[in-house]
Amino acid sequence: DVKVTQSSRYLVKRTGEKVFLECVQDMDHENMFWYRQDPGLGLRLIYFSYDVKMKEKGDIPEGYSVSREKKERFSLILESASTNQTSMYLCASSLDADYSNQPQHFGDGTRLSIL
Amino acid sequence: DQQVKQNSPSLSVQEGRISILNCDYTNSMFDYFLWYKKYPAEGPTFLISISSIKDKNEDGRFTVFLNKSAKHLSLHIVPSQPGDSAVYFCAAPANQAGTALIFGKGTTLSVSS
Repeated sequence: DVKVTQSSRYLVKRTGEKVFLECVQDMDHENMFWYRQDPGLGLRLIYFSYDVKMKEKGDIPEGYSVSREKKERFSLILESASTNQTSMYLCASSLDADYSNQPQHFGDGTRLSIL
Repeated sequence: DQQVKQNSPSLSVQEGRISILNCDYTNSMFDYFLWYKKYPAEGPTFLISISSIKDKNEDGRFTVFLNKSAKHLSLHIVPSQPGDSAVYFCAAPANQAGTALIFGKGTTLSVSS
């Protein structure tokens, strides 16, 4: 079974802090994704990566950056956390662009609170 | 503008009856659709998908129907069980390579026993 592991289930940080959310997958997947989930808004794509050191902006990249130095690890960085970044953050991975056979697999999420 | 729409935020159904979750889309270039299920405090899990060359795909109690002319798809769960109570998301490819997905806002299904 594919395992996508997010380093923290719950995180509380202060406004202005630099925050790192880590995600690791164990199935050698090429693609990795970061989403946030907010009530009434569904899942919105922040950034994704289709290869090591490659990244693409999603729908809401403002205030975020990402890092993918190794294939199995994809980090989401909040450069200067703000209260409107309080949310549930979900990491996902998929094997390749042939999505018809390889759906995205999600981690259990990190609930981030910015005070 | 939302390209994938789930207009019903919630649905309540009795155990044993059919649950029908609906999804509309605006981009006629979408050639693939997926449904995900999400329990509280867990990540979404892939449920079932359908290619635009088909109008139906079935997997056990779950069937997805696609009506391309209406740009509409629906997920049928028969019979519904209390364990099906979750948020259901409809999704479509966000780019030509299909590497990213666009999700609807989700429908919360409650199945009562």
